Amino acid sequence: DAGVIQSPRHEVTEMGQEVTLRCKPISGHDYLFWYRQTMMRGLELLIYFNNNVPIDDSGMPEDRFSAKMPNASFSTLKIQPSEPRDSAVYFCASKLGLAGRYNEQFFGPGTRLTVL
Amino acid sequence: GEDVEQSLFLSVREGDSSVINCTYTDSSSTYLYWYKQEPGAGLQLLTYIFSNMDMKQDQRLTVLLNKKDKHLSLRIADTQTGDSAIYFCAERRFNAGNMLTFGGGTRLMVKP
Repeated sequence: DAGVIQSPRHEVTEMGQEVTLRCKPISGHDYLFWYRQTMMRGLELLIYFNNNVPIDDSGMPEDRFSAKMPNASFSTLKIQPSEPRDSAVYFCASKLGLAGRYNEQFFGPGTRLTVL
Repeated sequence: GEDVEQSLFLSVREGDSSVINCTYTDSSSTYLYWYKQEPGAGLQLLTYIFSNMDMKQDQRLTVLLNKKDKHLSLRIADTQTGDSAIYFCAERRFNAGNMLTFGGGTRLMVKP
């Protein structure tokens, strides 16, 4: 398996523009997580899905952020409109939820977003 | 990640042992993890420990868990330059479903 795939790897955009980040989880995994990493706040969980259904979105910072998972092999994180403070590295992770197991999360390489 | 605390930086010489420390807050945490992040990459699971264990050893890695003090450590024996990275500890809380709470990360620099 190719692992978790994210695109684009780098995104530079201007304030006010819409940004869409994409993630393909590992095939067969039933959980998908979106994280944001910044120097100031470290690694923050934004939202996670189980079987394509959003379970906890309490980490989504504002209404400008939205995430969807239309099927088991694809998820998007959208920021509209984007602001300079959204500049960060956004990670997607997936895992197979097995009861009683340590349940490793597998991370993608991340998308580095810069909002000018 | 504020609830899980780590020191920001550690510098060691190649061949020495590295010890990275972490304190967590929830005594009901079931699993505790160490992830490694190399420059420009995502996090990769290094090792984990179940809460009913005190120690786990895996080749050069030794994890120690002190549940009383809620303290977790990662010891890397014979540290190599390739071990230079950011190391994150994370806890999986009993009532937090499938979420992990990460510490802020410790940047390990290995000098030749």
